[in-house]
Amino acid sequence: QQQVKQSPQSLIVQKGGIPIINCAYENTAFDYFPWYQQFPGKGPALLIAIRPDVSEKKEGRFTISFNKSAKQFSLHIMDSQPGDSATYFCAASWSSSNTGKLIFGQGTTLQVKP
Amino acid sequence: DTEVTQTPKHLVMGMTNKKSLKCEQHMGHRAMYWYKQKAKKPPELMFVYSYEKLSINESVPSRFSPECPNSSLLNLHLHALQPEDSALYLCASSLGYSNQPQHFGDGTRLSIL
Repeated sequence: QQQVKQSPQSLIVQKGGIPIINCAYENTAFDYFPWYQQFPGKGPALLIAIRPDVSEKKEGRFTISFNKSAKQFSLHIMDSQPGDSATYFCAASWSSSNTGKLIFGQGTTLQVKP
Repeated sequence: DTEVTQTPKHLVMGMTNKKSLKCEQHMGHRAMYWYKQKAKKPPELMFVYSYEKLSINESVPSRFSPECPNSSLLNLHLHALQPEDSALYLCASSLGYSNQPQHFGDGTRLSIL
């Protein structure tokens, strides 16, 4: 029940396309959902995060959509660029755990072709 | 550049060696974390320190020994590691640990011969 299921495992889009990465969870206690971007040889970098009282959040070209009833959330990358090619991880945590523990999805490798 | 600094960037060691990984942050964060990441996998939590005290040990083998000398520093002492311990070791920090953004360093790439 603490799993976060992420799909697809890999994704190839053309420059300017809108890749969408989906995540689903079961634990209704989750109340914080960050997305991380990781380039080869680097640590994960926080992209954007959302809490369940908000249905959508935008930061630059990155948008999170959140569907609380379906227990799903997704990342959209508008006007994707080759520099967006990276691995993306969704994650979830719950404040009542008092641990800071993040449950990560399995990751999506995105390739944006020029 | 990340605000969490990890050294060394790469480490190769034999199974009988003792070495340490170092992590430093100057953001005033009071929670610090060690993660292990295998290729093409998500980070796996190993340890959490809150206010310089160990608050979580995710059943990590005793050949990994964490230490938090002060609020800015986190060490991971390694001894008698196995080849399967080869991985990227990531340090992260957050202001608190209740749903606060975690900021990761770029990790130490560890290879066990």
